[in-house]
Amino acid sequence: EAGVAQSPRYKIIEKRQSVAFWCNPISGHATLYWYQQILGQGPKLLIQFQNNGVVDDSQLPKDRFSAERLKGVDSTLKIQPAKLEDSAVYLCASSLLNQGNSPLHFGNGTRLTVT
Amino acid sequence: GNSVTQMEGPVTLSEEAFLTINCTYTATGYPSLFWYVQYPGEGLQLLLKATKADDKGSNKGFEATYRKETTSFHLEKGSVQVSDSAVYFCALSQGNDMRFGAGTRLTVKP
Repeated sequence: EAGVAQSPRYKIIEKRQSVAFWCNPISGHATLYWYQQILGQGPKLLIQFQNNGVVDDSQLPKDRFSAERLKGVDSTLKIQPAKLEDSAVYLCASSLLNQGNSPLHFGNGTRLTVT
Repeated sequence: GNSVTQMEGPVTLSEEAFLTINCTYTATGYPSLFWYVQYPGEGLQLLLKATKADDKGSNKGFEATYRKETTSFHLEKGSVQVSDSAVYFCALSQGNDMRFGAGTRLTVKP
């Protein structure tokens, strides 16, 4: 099966600019996650979707980050305006079920550098 | 809240050495436990999992046993290879909540 697809792989922007990331989950996976992974740390959940509804966005900085999953398939994550501390790898993951023992399938991530 | 603490790295071993990466967790109830691995330039991928106490997850020669009494899920491998060089993440999942440890970088030298 095809894996989780993310684009772009790399992005360099200046602070206060905007940026968007795209994710296409594994076909049939209802649950989609966006994680932020800062260098040297584990992934931190930003937002979780179940189909096209938000399950958890408690750690999403809503003043600058937004995400949508129209039609319950692809998803985009946007940052506007970006700050230096947003430099990180942004990981998209999907899982078949919204259950605790359902493993996550990750994409290769988008490495964002904010200068 | 739920949390995962894993052994700080980096860890450097010679080929065929024994590997242990410690992981302990804090959670109410009975979470599912996972080890994910991230090879250079790639995304995280599931290495193994255990969903209840005393379960042993295993894959590619790696093993980890869910120990409820010590709230631990240590990763072990009897003989590491150069190709095992990667970052290893311990994680727990309970309901909608998935938490990751900070990761342990393993380098295996020939």
